[in-house]
Amino acid sequence: DTEVTQTPKHLVMGMTNKKSLKCEQHMGHRAMYWYKQKAKKPPELMFVYSYEKLSINESVPSRFSPECPNSSLLNLHLHALQPEDSALYLCASSPRSSGHTEAFFGQGTRLTVV
Amino acid sequence: AQKVTQAQTEISVVEKEDVTLDCVYETRDTTYYLFWYKQPPSGELVFLIRRNSFDEQNEISGRYSWNFQKSTSSFNFTITASQVVDSAVYFCALSEGYNNAGNMLTFGGGTRLMVKP
Repeated sequence: DTEVTQTPKHLVMGMTNKKSLKCEQHMGHRAMYWYKQKAKKPPELMFVYSYEKLSINESVPSRFSPECPNSSLLNLHLHALQPEDSALYLCASSPRSSGHTEAFFGQGTRLTVV
Repeated sequence: AQKVTQAQTEISVVEKEDVTLDCVYETRDTTYYLFWYKQPPSGELVFLIRRNSFDEQNEISGRYSWNFQKSTSSFNFTITASQVVDSAVYFCALSEGYNNAGNMLTFGGGTRLMVKP
């Protein structure tokens, strides 16, 4: 199994809503990542989890709250988002969080904030 | 300052043509890795290749080939006999530092390749 599965694939939410994005991998990887990708731009790293602990937060606003319940799951809790937060949110995993290892990406959640 | 430059924002070719995607990088590290990822319309980034700074051998994988030249800081990607399924956005990325905690990637701006039948 070489897949990273993200749900939902599409999400429309209002600025007062609370929603969560989910990511799952069963490759035994110990590093998981959240990226944000705006249209026609490259992905931007948001968070890195290593061995279920948050190791990197790229100065992401607190309205984005990551959670890693176990080594296979990664969530991104969303609250009070702004329309400019509309983007493709990509989850990725890699065997470890260092050493230039390649990452495996999910198909992403296309988020629209209205 | 942008460290990975993909000067071609869009390329359009007809099926069976060869196409080369350019990537120029900038780094002060002696140890670094270069990557190519493919992003089809479905959204996921698909890993294509990783090359470290000490290995300048060119690589071929089926219709794909990569030309790494440290002298010009380039890591170009060629698709031979392109197919419609090659249509995607292709990202070149740089990973710097001896260990690179967090596997931080610096992406280029991407090149959108359209292969027409």
